[in-house]
Amino acid sequence: NAGVTQTPKFQVLKTGQSMTLQCAQDMNHEYMSWYRQDPGMGLRLIHYSVGAGITDQGEVPNGYNVSRSTTEDFPLRLLSAAPSQTSVYFCASSTSYNEQFFGPGTRLTVL
Amino acid sequence: AQSVTQLDSHVSVSEGTPVLLRCNYSSSYSPSLFWYVQHPNKGLQLLLKYTSAATLVKGINGFEAEFKKSETSFHLTKPSAHMSDAAEYFCVVSHGSGNTGKLIFGQGTTLQVKP
Repeated sequence: NAGVTQTPKFQVLKTGQSMTLQCAQDMNHEYMSWYRQDPGMGLRLIHYSVGAGITDQGEVPNGYNVSRSTTEDFPLRLLSAAPSQTSVYFCASSTSYNEQFFGPGTRLTVL
Repeated sequence: AQSVTQLDSHVSVSEGTPVLLRCNYSSSYSPSLFWYVQHPNKGLQLLLKYTSAATLVKGINGFEAEFKKSETSFHLTKPSAHMSDAAEYFCVVSHGSGNTGKLIFGQGTTLQVKP
C-alpha cells in the first residue's frame, strides 16, 4: 500500500493562477479531508468528504473547490490563487473507526 | 462546538528528563482525542488516541496521555525525553461524536530537547 499520496510536493504560482493539488489513497477509506498548515495555527480543515459524490465545507473553504468522483481521489482546486493561500497543504483519509492517515504534504507559494 | 487549546507553544527539556505537553479540550459530545507528532519538514504521525475506552492511553515511543473528563484535559507525557523527540506536537479532537472524518487541531507545541 502506498497510503496517502499527494502531488506535487512543491509548487510556486503567481497571483490569479489556478491549479489542482492531487490526493489519492489506496486503502479504500470513505473519509477524505484537506487541511492547510500555517505557522502558529495548527492545521485547519478546508473541505472534507464522507464518500464518493459527497463533500462539505470545513473551517476555511473560501477560494478552494473539491469534488470526489471516486473513493480513491480527492483533488483540491485553487480557483484564483492569492498570496494568503501560501501554505502547506495536507490530505488525509480514514474510515469511520480509525485515525486519519496523512499524506506528505504540498508546499505552495503564491507570489 | 469542539475546540482544543494547547497551553504551551514551546516546551524545552533536557534529555532524560520528563516531558509534559498540556492540552485542554471543549466538546459537546463524548470526544475522540488524538496526539499527532510532526518532525521538521515531515508529515504527521499518530502518537496515540482516546476513543472512550481506558482513560490512560499508551502510544508509540514511550508516550502516554490521560483523559480527565472532570478537568477536560488530555495531557501528553513521557518519563524520559530523547533527542529524537524534538518535534511539533498537536492535540486534536474529532468534530462531533466518534470519528467523523473532521479533525480540529490545537495550535501546536514545539518540543525542544537539550543535550
